[in-house]
Amino acid sequence: EPEVTQTPSHQVTQMGQEVILRCVPISNHLYFYWYRQILGQKVEFLVSFYNNEISEKSEIFDDQFSVERPDGSNFTLKIRSTKLEDSAMYFCASSVDRDTEAFFGQGTRLTVV
Amino acid sequence: RKEVEQDPGPFNVPEGATVAFNCTYSNSASQSFFWYRQDCRKEPKLLMSVYSSGNEDGRFTAQLNRASQYISLLIRDSKLSDSATYLCVVNADSWGKLQFGAGTQVVVTP
Repeated sequence: EPEVTQTPSHQVTQMGQEVILRCVPISNHLYFYWYRQILGQKVEFLVSFYNNEISEKSEIFDDQFSVERPDGSNFTLKIRSTKLEDSAMYFCASSVDRDTEAFFGQGTRLTVV
Repeated sequence: RKEVEQDPGPFNVPEGATVAFNCTYSNSASQSFFWYRQDCRKEPKLLMSVYSSGNEDGRFTAQLNRASQYISLLIRDSKLSDSATYLCVVNADSWGKLQFGAGTQVVVTP
């Protein structure tokens, strides 16, 4: 069964460092997303991406965040200068269409120290 | 008012019993609705989409009430493996953004 894959599963970084989280969405999906979940809190939307551009972003997704689809398979989330409050589980998701089911990767646990 | 609101539980359910819970959503323009389950520190996994007419998938039944803006999930013949947090999820806009409830915890006991 096709699945969304994310790497790494866990990343520890020092405050102020840049991190890149990687995702390979399901191959025939056209819509890509990043969500995050701070421990003990609900899943929050960060950004949606379609046709090689951001279609929507949340207030959380400030200038420190960027997304890219560098080739036909990868979808990355970059945080330029990490803060302690960026510590969370980051989930990548993809869907065939914008109102169909989204499938989530297993997540990257980011710990900023 | 929260965009998607759920009773956090926990719902403690004896194995074999039936459990049901709801969620409410605030955006009347929402078009797509889903139930996901999430195990501790894992990713949300799609349980089922929710259709206007209501739908059933094995032991799981979902209902949508647009007039009252709530969605329900019923689990029959609960199994120990049903223990999880159930996330009510609403498609918030035309770009696929999903709004998540905080989840309802279900604990099935032997």
